[in-house]
Amino acid sequence: KAGVTQTPRYLIKTRGQQVTLSCSPISGHRSVSWYQQTPGQGLQFLFEYFSETQRNKGNFPGRFSGRQFSNSRSEMNVSTLELGDSALYLCASSLGPPPLHFGNGTRLTVT
Amino acid sequence: GESVGLHLPTLSVQEGDNSIINCAYSNSASDYFIWYKQESGKGPQFIIDIRSNMDKRQGQRVTVLLNKTVKHLSLQIAATQPGDSAVYFCAENIGTSYGKLTFGQGTILTVHP
Repeated sequence: KAGVTQTPRYLIKTRGQQVTLSCSPISGHRSVSWYQQTPGQGLQFLFEYFSETQRNKGNFPGRFSGRQFSNSRSEMNVSTLELGDSALYLCASSLGPPPLHFGNGTRLTVT
Repeated sequence: GESVGLHLPTLSVQEGDNSIINCAYSNSASDYFIWYKQESGKGPQFIIDIRSNMDKRQGQRVTVLLNKTVKHLSLQIAATQPGDSAVYFCAENIGTSYGKLTFGQGTILTVHP
């Protein structure tokens, strides 16, 4: 069974631009969560989607948004990028109950 | 200026030793706990989990202990191998917010051959 797939693996963007990251969950998993990982703050929860509905949201500004499609695939978008948005963005999926299974992330660098 | 990174605790062991990684969690209402291993360039990999109605759970070469009185979680790795070298994170969860984990800062485990 294929794991969680995140694309692209690496991204370089300029301040002020926007970016869209993609996540394909494990087949059959309906819950998708997103996390931001930085050296300064560690792993922080962004949001969770289940059956196309946002179920939980972390403490991030409105520039961070996401959505989930009917096939459970998910995207997250960051608008008006700031230098501090440079991070590893991780997607995780589950059947609904835990555990979460993570992808290898998208490394975003904002210059 | 440069942001200050987390100063992760480190644990250095010899191959074949047993390793114990500790974690203090913050929320007494947390009812589910999980350990992840993260190798360089990869996402966190599930190791073992435990619910708050248990105080011990064993897997293959790993044991998780939960002490709710002092809000403490530990991961024991038996016969540690060089391939176990990684950053280990504990995480907690409350109720049915299954996708919302609160992670600890992590511990760097280095296993010397």
